[in-house]
Amino acid sequence: ETGVTQTPRHLVMGMTNKKSLKCEQHLGHNAMYWYKQSAKKPLELMFVYSLEERVENNSVPSRFSPECPNSSHLFLHLHTLQPEDSALYLCASSQASGRSDTQYFGPGTRLTVL
Amino acid sequence: EDQVTQSPEALRLQEGESSSLNCSYTVSGLRGLFWYRQDPGKGPEFLFTLYSAGEEKEKERLKATLTKKESFLHITAPKPEDSATYLCAVHPLSGGYNKLIFGAGTRLAVHP
Repeated sequence: ETGVTQTPRHLVMGMTNKKSLKCEQHLGHNAMYWYKQSAKKPLELMFVYSLEERVENNSVPSRFSPECPNSSHLFLHLHTLQPEDSALYLCASSQASGRSDTQYFGPGTRLTVL
Repeated sequence: EDQVTQSPEALRLQEGESSSLNCSYTVSGLRGLFWYRQDPGKGPEFLFTLYSAGEEKEKERLKATLTKKESFLHITAPKPEDSATYLCAVHPLSGGYNKLIFGAGTRLAVHP
């Protein structure tokens, strides 16, 4: 595997389900991100982890719960979602160096909430 | 408030017809500006990073330029495979870590 991988690629869930999205980066980076991309809207930053510590929680509802067990893995735990949470969820990673570091994205998980 | 605006929202070109995409930004200061390409149903693919006004970068048919208020992505003699959504993002000085602000993108369609 190379770059940033995400699983599953597609997910359909009911409003009462609990599911998790997984992201893995193979680039040796030390920062990881979750973004939400809705149709015709800019990417919205949800969470940032730097050196495995959460440094940003962008007013995201508590039904989204991130977890970063190490610098290569990132999870997004989902529970009691709403239909408006249907979107493409993107994971990214970068090497935090103090300058402006390029973020590399995974292919995304297309989430549909019924 | 930091803001990024991309124009046009959509652009249709004939193969070989050169054009430019615009990214205007309003930030307190700029650490870096990024261009990405995104194909339908896929994640953004990194194209360029620009750090200071006057800087230019090129890759195949694409050339990115930067001024103090905007960036342009010039596409020379485009081909149908250049069809995609092009995203611009800025990293403002006020962001202590790598917090990018994205524009809504320009959807480019190149027809044979």
